[in-house]
Amino acid sequence: NAGVTQTPKFQVLKTGQSMTLQCAQDMNHNSMYWYRQDPGMGLRLIYYSASEGTTDKGEVPNGYNVSRLNKREFSLRLESAAPSQTSVYFCASRWTSSTDTQYFGPGTRLTVL
Amino acid sequence: AQSVTQLDSHVSVSEGTPVLLRCNYSSSYSPSLFWYVQHPNKGLQLLLKYTSAATLVKGINGFEAEFKKSETSFHLTKPSAHMSDAAEYFCVVSDQLMDTGRRALTFGSGTRLQVQP
Repeated sequence: NAGVTQTPKFQVLKTGQSMTLQCAQDMNHNSMYWYRQDPGMGLRLIYYSASEGTTDKGEVPNGYNVSRLNKREFSLRLESAAPSQTSVYFCASRWTSSTDTQYFGPGTRLTVL
Repeated sequence: AQSVTQLDSHVSVSEGTPVLLRCNYSSSYSPSLFWYVQHPNKGLQLLLKYTSAATLVKGINGFEAEFKKSETSFHLTKPSAHMSDAAEYFCVVSDQLMDTGRRALTFGSGTRLQVQP
């Protein structure tokens, strides 16, 4: 099992450009999550999908959109990137939203110039 | 509302000496608690978790943590540090939101562990 995979690993964008971060899991998990990690702030939840066909906002959703494409895949889109979105983005999944352990992908390091 | 405080942003120890990373939490209900480790440029790996069974939890790589409800603490320890333990460590609390039944995770801000030779 690959677990949780993310693409790309690194990306540099100019202000105003758009891009989509991809995430896939092969553990048959129902719930998937997107976080951003900034220095000294731990991880903050951007959006989550409790189950296929549903998405909800987390703590810091502004400037992002998500799509739960199917049970395996959950993408994060930046429509018009801003320097404040420079961060490391992590995707995670877990069996359901009421169970505990989340499994994390390796992260995408995004720089917006 | 739940919260997590990691009391030290940086900890430096010598190889072979004990490690103590401190974590305090607040939670309205009976929480689950986790420690994750993140090596440089890597994702987060689960070290150990507490889910209301034994209060002393053993994890991978010789780490363990003790849940102390009276002190609202979940400190991470290891008897003897190894160079490969140098990483960032996150304490995480998982609590149930009554309105949705969803378990929300709240992350601490992290503790960077340095291990000196």
